[in-house]
This record gives sequence, C-alpha cells and structure tokens, in this order.
Amino acid sequence: DQQVKQNSPSLSVQEGRISILNCDYTNSMFDYFLWYKKYPAEGPTFLISISSIKDKNEDGRFTVFLNKSAKHLSLHIVPSQPGDSAVYFCAASVYNAGNMLTFGGGTRLMVKP
Amino acid sequence: DGGITQSPKYLFRKEGQNVTLSCEQNLNHDAMYWYRQDPGQGLRLIYYSQIVNDFQKGDIAEGYSVSREKKESFPLTVTSAQKNPTAFYLCASSGTGGQPQYFGPGTRLTVT
Repeated sequence: DQQVKQNSPSLSVQEGRISILNCDYTNSMFDYFLWYKKYPAEGPTFLISISSIKDKNEDGRFTVFLNKSAKHLSLHIVPSQPGDSAVYFCAASVYNAGNMLTFGGGTRLMVKP
Repeated sequence: DGGITQSPKYLFRKEGQNVTLSCEQNLNHDAMYWYRQDPGQGLRLIYYSQIVNDFQKGDIAEGYSVSREKKESFPLTVTSAQKNPTAFYLCASSGTGGQPQYFGPGTRLTVT
C-alpha cells in the first residue's frame, strides 16, 4: 500500500515557465512533508519542507502548498531553469515519531531551454 | 566541512560474497538511515538507528545487517542472503524533532 504517491512519472516544461509537481498521501497521521531533488547517481538534496500547521511555505523560486483536506501537496518552481532538471521526490513523516520518512516514487522534471 | 560520506562510490562483488558499505557523518546527528533505490523507483528504507547501539529494521531489511557502535558511523552489510543486491544504496542522517534527513552521495553496488 503506497502511502505517498507521485502520479506523474515525468513532466516537461519550458525554461522560464512554472513547474508544478504533485504528491498525494493517504495516511492522515502525516504532519510533516518534504521535497527532495535528485540527480542521477547522487544522493537526494533537501529542498523545502512544510508542517501541517501551514498551507504554504516559500523559499526563493520554490513554494510548497499543502491541502490537508485533499491530502495533497504540490511543489511550484518559478521560473523553471534547465538546472532544475532532475527527479523530485516528496516525502512525509509523523513529526514526533522518530523522523521516519515515507517517499513517493518520484517525478522526473525536464526543463527545456 | 560537515556532511555525510559514503564509500566507495562504485562497488563490484561476486554473488555469494558479503560486502560492507561505509557511511560516516560529522553533523552530530543522532539518527542515521539506509535506503535502497532501484531504477525508476523511490527510496525504500532498509535499516535505521535513532541512537548509538540501537537500530531497527525498515521495510526491506531481509538480507542486510547493520551496526551502530559510534554516533558518526552506520555501516551496512549486504549479505549473500539478499536476493537482488544490485542497487544504489543511500545513507542519510538527521537531528531530532522533525528535521530533514540529509543524504550522502550513494554507493552503486553491482553483484554478478
């Protein structure tokens, strides 16, 4: 049973436009959500997180939105740059339960120049 | 220069041999984790340790073993009992209280 799902395996966007990556979860106990970026043959890099007490968190070009009622979060990248081309993973955890992360399957973002 | 190191980057072994992957961190993190990534898939948790001398099985612990004798180190042994050991292995660490996990560069293990 996949508790965190990224239903789009890939996304292609033109440079300068907005990239929107989506993630759904089923476990209502999750209250802390993270996005990671991963290049091939490298470890994931932490991008941005959000706790369930917020519905939006922004860091530069990256904004994460959380819709608790829909159990849905999204990562917006504006403007998209070719260097953003990578696989993006969303992850979820229960804040006071040992920091265990459950990962989605990832979405490959391709930003075309 | 704080971070997580994994060595080696690439590792080749013959079937039937045990192999140990190294993971070291100097971030003073209490918790450490081992994940496995297969092509086109997400990360799956193998083992984790919240504190020295204690560790717990993750979702896919069969065929693996770990130790946590020092705060800085969390080596993973891939035993001959692991049916499909060829994969990309990632080590991570985190502080307490809902902090992000930070990952090492990974080790690609190929068993033939």
